Amino acid sequence: QKEVEQNSGPLSVPEGAIASLNCTYSDRVSQSFFWYRQYSGKSPELIMSIYSNGDKEDGRFTAQLNKASQYVSLLIRDSQPSDSATYLCAVIEYGNKLVFGAGTILRVKS
Amino acid sequence: SAVISQKPSRDICQRGTSLTIQCQVDSQVTMMFWYRQQPGQSLTLIATANQGSEATYESGFVIDKFPISRPNLTFSTLTVSNMSPEDSSIYLCSVARRRSSYNEQFFGPGTRLTVL
Repeated sequence: QKEVEQNSGPLSVPEGAIASLNCTYSDRVSQSFFWYRQYSGKSPELIMSIYSNGDKEDGRFTAQLNKASQYVSLLIRDSQPSDSATYLCAVIEYGNKLVFGAGTILRVKS
Repeated sequence: SAVISQKPSRDICQRGTSLTIQCQVDSQVTMMFWYRQQPGQSLTLIATANQGSEATYESGFVIDKFPISRPNLTFSTLTVSNMSPEDSSIYLCSVARRRSSYNEQFFGPGTRLTVL
């Protein structure tokens, strides 16, 4: 089974700063990667998906994928206290099954 | 995305009993999944709910403990049988939607189960 590794954190950043979240995965044939945001007591919410090498931007979020190095990252620009949550990295396995990392807790301090 | 609802949203159950969780989607989807999230942990896939055939279970999960039904393309149920306190978790259904060359998964609101 694929393994997905994330630093559990917490990662603390001041309001307005860039938060950088990282994820590595074990299987070189992985093709699709996802970032979910999970607030305490809520279900995961898909915020970014990336398939190709390089960067993908959506509003304040940028996902970066480097297949050669087997890592995917999420940058959050102009971080807000409302961004404080657990961010889950996930990789698609055969059968369209998601394998999740343990998640990184992000705290944005005002 | 998809509008997904789950019932119940939470329940407190006694050891040895069973609970059936329902998942309803607002449109037809081919792929539905059931996940478990234990306290302080990440998500683990229990099974893929297949319409018209038996569910496909992941290692460590068996049909006798987690029977799943999928009578049509918008609905599925997960039963947690003969519960013990170790079954206390959040149970989530998800659906996959095609996006160009890959699928994205969206989660329901979850069912928080506490077993006493």
